[in-house]
Amino acid sequence: GAGVSQSPRYKVAKRGQDVALRCDPISGHVSLFWYQQALGQGPEFLTYFQNEAQLDKSGLPSDRFFAERPEGSVSTLKIQRTQQEDSAVYLCASSSAGTGRNTIYFGEGSWLTVV
Amino acid sequence: DAKTTQPNSMESNEEEPVHLPCNHSTISGTDYIHWYRQLPSQGPEYVIHGLTSNVNNRMASLAIAEDRKSSTLILHRATLRDAAVYYCISNAGNNRKLIWGLGTSLAVNP
Repeated sequence: GAGVSQSPRYKVAKRGQDVALRCDPISGHVSLFWYQQALGQGPEFLTYFQNEAQLDKSGLPSDRFFAERPEGSVSTLKIQRTQQEDSAVYLCASSSAGTGRNTIYFGEGSWLTVV
Repeated sequence: DAKTTQPNSMESNEEEPVHLPCNHSTISGTDYIHWYRQLPSQGPEYVIHGLTSNVNNRMASLAIAEDRKSSTLILHRATLRDAAVYYCISNAGNNRKLIWGLGTSLAVNP
């Protein structure tokens, strides 16, 4: 596609439910990032993939959060046993390489509300 | 990654230039300066980036101070569609972990 695509766009989950958020990066982009953005805050880094390799997962807030990119294209962010503090927008982004001079393209985000 | 500081909010009138400042006093020699903006209910959108020299593109200009401790994003003629939160980010050659602040919320008056 022309841009980064995320689904679902909106998700309401009951506390304790598992959720899976999907990201389709721009075709051919090597780097893929997940960010979490709370209301009124800037995005916070969660994890980074280079192709299928998860090179940095230091931002994942707990072991309930898990991300994968098995074939180096589509990625899934999974949150197990959701809690209210997980309510946020989850942003996926991709870039053609991982160096600082490259542009990062963001999707519109998946808005998660845990009730 | 170097920390950046920006004013919380700014206001402009339509069709007037806007200068959005950013301080990044701890920047290192290899850190790029990126600007993104985020419209309501949308993901961040790339605006411009640079290393040392001033940069221009169709959206904006980026003026980088000679000591690189600050930069200014310039919107030459603000439109209502430019109302957004503007983020200044400084990152090392490896941009795996961009550190975002709260950004500057720009309001554009008709």
